Amino acid sequence: SYELTQPPSVSVSPGQTASITCSGDKLGDKFVSWYQQKPGQSPVVVIYQDTERPSGIPERFSGSNSGNTATLTISGTQAMDEADYYCQAWVSSTGVFGTGTKVTVL
Amino acid sequence: EVHLVESGGGLVQPGGSLRLSCAASGFTFSFYWMTWVRQAPGKGLECVANAKQDGSEKFYVDSVKGRFTISRDNAKNSLYLQMNSLRAEDTAVYYCARLAGSSWYMDSWGQGTLVSVSS
Repeated sequence: SYELTQPPSVSVSPGQTASITCSGDKLGDKFVSWYQQKPGQSPVVVIYQDTERPSGIPERFSGSNSGNTATLTISGTQAMDEADYYCQAWVSSTGVFGTGTKVTVL
Repeated sequence: EVHLVESGGGLVQPGGSLRLSCAASGFTFSFYWMTWVRQAPGKGLECVANAKQDGSEKFYVDSVKGRFTISRDNAKNSLYLQMNSLRAEDTAVYYCARLAGSSWYMDSWGQGTLVSVSS
């Protein structure tokens, strides 16, 4: 079965850049979405279609996808960005989520 | 404003059944694919099933095939998940979500309903 692998954790200082990778076979051939989930809350999409940002999502969130790796970048990270982040892609009309990354803002 | 409200969760014994519902409002329900996503306690997200606008196409993750059935009633703006032969590993919060755009991203989520499978 298809797997999407993310680092379990990423630490970043306030104001610095956090990068979260998502690896999967030929992932660049698929569209990737990214979801933010804070404790006790439902997920929220922060990036879709590799690079698109929904309305209301701050410009500091950006995405890329090429080859076998998609990347979510948070520029000028703020304390409010501390959360779990999941990448997601579709494989034969079945959704696959990444393993998830906990972002800690130190 | 898009609003999704799940219901029907609860405690059930292994081998039992449960039917989850998701009431949609604030948008034309029949225009969208819909999906169920679950999250086991302390674990990550897992897509369970999704259904086409008219219900004619349905897809399932391997672990629930033959046990779970996704359905929808567009006249009632509702999505359902019939869960049979439940196992301990099905214990999770179940979310319904709307699939948007050509890339099928999940742009709106409900608050989730907890399903606990235990004797």
